[in-house]
Amino acid sequence: DTGVSQDPRHKITKRGQNVTFRCDPISEHNRLYWYRQTLGQGPEFLTYFQNEAQLEKSRLLSDRFSAERPKGSFSTLEIQRTEQGDSAMYLCASSLGWSGVGYGYTFGSGTRLTVV
Amino acid sequence: AQSVAQPEDQVNVAEGNPLTVKCTYSVSGNPYLFWYVQYPNRGLQFLLKYITGDNLVKGSYGFEAEFNKSQTSFHLKKPSALVSDSALYFCAVREEGPYIFGTGTRLKVLA
Repeated sequence: DTGVSQDPRHKITKRGQNVTFRCDPISEHNRLYWYRQTLGQGPEFLTYFQNEAQLEKSRLLSDRFSAERPKGSFSTLEIQRTEQGDSAMYLCASSLGWSGVGYGYTFGSGTRLTVV
Repeated sequence: AQSVAQPEDQVNVAEGNPLTVKCTYSVSGNPYLFWYVQYPNRGLQFLLKYITGDNLVKGSYGFEAEFNKSQTSFHLKKPSALVSDSALYFCAVREEGPYIFGTGTRLKVLA
């Protein structure tokens, strides 16, 4: 598989529960990004990693959100004490490093989270 | 701060007609500009990019985009639209760090 994989595709959870999403990037890509997309909006940046280092976090990423990328391979995004406002599509993307500023990202198909 | 604007929520065009999806940007330095397409329940797919060089950039599926520095625009174009081009299109800018996306334009190509 040469694409970006995200798991699960869909997640329905009750308000207050914790959820964790996984992203497997393209193997040679050292940058990994998380975005959130709500209906009718463009993707909003959450955070990104270069290898295992988390280089930037958006103000959108509240204390309830945490992301990791152990060993610089796959990444997880955890949301604690979910709220209805967290309902969205969570997109993962990967790219080559800084020298790839002009390179496009490769996006996964996303994880759709519904908080009920 | 960098930003992009897509002034049209939706564009309708008849099949076979040329299409244009508009994008304007704001950056403090040199812009790196991109177009992505999103089909229902799918991730975003890269269409084309402008980094430097020719102002007319050719991309996937017959799309092209024209970079206009004086108007700070990067409009997406296609000479002859197909029904299968119907999708959500996003313009993005990247100066340093991650992309900033526009709000998207829904393209409907009518048979």
